[in-house]
Amino acid sequence: ELKVEQNPLFLSMQEGKNYTIYCNYSTTSDRLYWYRQDPGKSLESLFVLLSNGAVKQEGRLMASLDTKARLSTLHITAAVHDLSATYFCAVGGGGGADGLTFGKGTHLIIQP
Amino acid sequence: NAGVTQTPKFQVLKTGQSMTLQCAQDMNHNSMYWYRQDPGMGLRLIYYSASEGTTDKGEVPNGYNVSRLNKREFSLRLESAAPSQTSVYFCASNAGGGYTFGSGTRLTVV
Repeated sequence: ELKVEQNPLFLSMQEGKNYTIYCNYSTTSDRLYWYRQDPGKSLESLFVLLSNGAVKQEGRLMASLDTKARLSTLHITAAVHDLSATYFCAVGGGGGADGLTFGKGTHLIIQP
Repeated sequence: NAGVTQTPKFQVLKTGQSMTLQCAQDMNHNSMYWYRQDPGMGLRLIYYSASEGTTDKGEVPNGYNVSRLNKREFSLRLESAAPSQTSVYFCASNAGGGYTFGSGTRLTVV
């Protein structure tokens, strides 16, 4: 059974600081997803990581994947208040027909 | 380009009542999914359909049934609602790459 663990589950930080969210998963998988969710909203796709060593960046967010360690990270650089949200990682395999397994999410609050 | 459309957006049911949550996608995706989201639990897969005419159980299927009516539509039915089914339900579709999620249905069972 595939398990996905995120940490921390809650993070409060100040604007301008850097931080990293970690996502560990238990079995081999061929793709790793990061999503953002604002309160009362649906999931917004941030990154899809497809291979070992993959690194993707969008603005102040950068995601990486180490398939050997079964670890993905989401790094936040010089945080701003607008990045406050809940971030989920999810793992899927084989073209994704059998769905994604999600972590419990990291609730991120960035204070001015 | 509507993507994935879910109806209704909100619903309150009494224990024991039944209802069907509707989901339709206009992206010609083969695979469709139903998830539920509970506080602190992330999203958990209820049922999925890899293609028209097929459905399979996910992690938490008990108390639910699904129908893949055609390639566009995938419905989720609660035959006898229970308070434990109070949740936010998301439908999603996928064509072998990225997933597209609907806006969600917030269901309360009292």
